[in-house]
Amino acid sequence: AQSVTQLDSHVSVSEGTPVLLRCNYSSSYSPSLFWYVQHPNKGLQLLLKYTSAATLVKGINGFEAEFKKSETSFHLTKPSAHMSDAAEYFCVIRYNQGGKLIFGQGTELSVKP
Amino acid sequence: EPEVTQTPSHQVTQMGQEVILRCVPISNHLYFYWYRQILGQKVEFLVSFYNNEISEKSEIFDDQFSVERPDGSNFTLKIRSTKLEDSAMYFCASSHLTASSYNSPLHFGNGTRLTVT
Repeated sequence: AQSVTQLDSHVSVSEGTPVLLRCNYSSSYSPSLFWYVQHPNKGLQLLLKYTSAATLVKGINGFEAEFKKSETSFHLTKPSAHMSDAAEYFCVIRYNQGGKLIFGQGTELSVKP
Repeated sequence: EPEVTQTPSHQVTQMGQEVILRCVPISNHLYFYWYRQILGQKVEFLVSFYNNEISEKSEIFDDQFSVERPDGSNFTLKIRSTKLEDSAMYFCASSHLTASSYNSPLHFGNGTRLTVT
């Protein structure tokens, strides 16, 4: 069975400091992984996706994620947080081609001035 | 950039009433999905739809739920007799998948907030 676990339900950082949102996955074969962001009262926006072409994936708004097979991790990072980054972030795994996405529990990111 | 659009943005209904949530997926997409998010909980898969039929559904998607693609553009979710616990944000999504697009992401709409009173 495939699943994702987001290790922190809430992360708080100061503006200008690095962001780390942790995600571990479980999959019996090479997974398809995504990070989505949800701003308050908004829909789900794709931040980035993992393809087997590169283990370091760059997304929008300065976010990136590194696929580490040995650690079964796909952590999301950003060098310097901005106030507008405050949102809920979801690590997501695709079950199979054309199949459903399975969402992690979400991590709420707060950014302090 | 093309978007998935959902209407209405907010729907209030009384328990036992039927509701239809509407979605217009991105025009060249082939797979369609409904997800829901109960307040404070994780996003849950409801159903996927491809080639005019349901390809997968979750245990949440019982006989009270149905989906339809009545024409070439709309994709609807119907709840026949709403319950209080159906109150949630419902997200429509679509995806353009081909045999070489395993990592093709889902594009989500902004959601319909359903409140059952």
